[in-house]
Amino acid sequence: AQSVTQLGSHVSVSEGALVLLRCNYSSSVPPYLFWYVQYPNQGLQLLLKYTSAATLVKGINGFEAEFKKSETSFHLTKPSAHMSDAAEYFCAVRISGTYKYIFGTGTRLKVLA
Amino acid sequence: DTAVSQTPKYLVTQMGNDKSIKCEQNLGHDTMYWYKQDSKKFLKIMFSYNNKELIINETVPNRFSPKSPDKAHLNLHINSLELGDSAVYFCASSPQGAYNSPLHFGNGTRLTVT
Repeated sequence: AQSVTQLGSHVSVSEGALVLLRCNYSSSVPPYLFWYVQYPNQGLQLLLKYTSAATLVKGINGFEAEFKKSETSFHLTKPSAHMSDAAEYFCAVRISGTYKYIFGTGTRLKVLA
Repeated sequence: DTAVSQTPKYLVTQMGNDKSIKCEQNLGHDTMYWYKQDSKKFLKIMFSYNNKELIINETVPNRFSPKSPDKAHLNLHINSLELGDSAVYFCASSPQGAYNSPLHFGNGTRLTVT
């Protein structure tokens, strides 16, 4: 069954440092992958989605993700963390041939001053 | 303009009561969803409707009953509330088109059962 796995439930980085949040997928067919961000007491907001047109996907707020088929990964990065990036981040996949979207367990990003 | 709106935002009730959560989307999407987010932030799909037809019904207790009067609205009714029902419930919608269409989420309803 298709799924996504997020390694690291908590990640801490210093302000200005590189952000790397990991997501691996399991899929035998091209996956439909997404990254979402959830700020406290809010709903989930789309950061970016994989479209198969390009392996490097740029999203909002300076985030980007690279699709690597050989590693079955879709890791999220940002060159320089900002305090406002502190939030919960979710990787998600839409199951092929269905309307079902499955979410990873989430990674809480903490940004240290 | 709010795209996906849920009411109420907070719901505090006692065990055994019956309560409803309402959701409306003005995006013109065909598919709507209910997700449950537990205290560890884990998101679990509960139900989905496509053009008023139930298409996803996960292993949810039958105390939970969704209803979609039209494709812009999806409500969730919960009977005989239990402590374990305490969670944040999110409504979401997506268009029927491309498979890489994302979900659009409401801001959630925080349900607390005492």
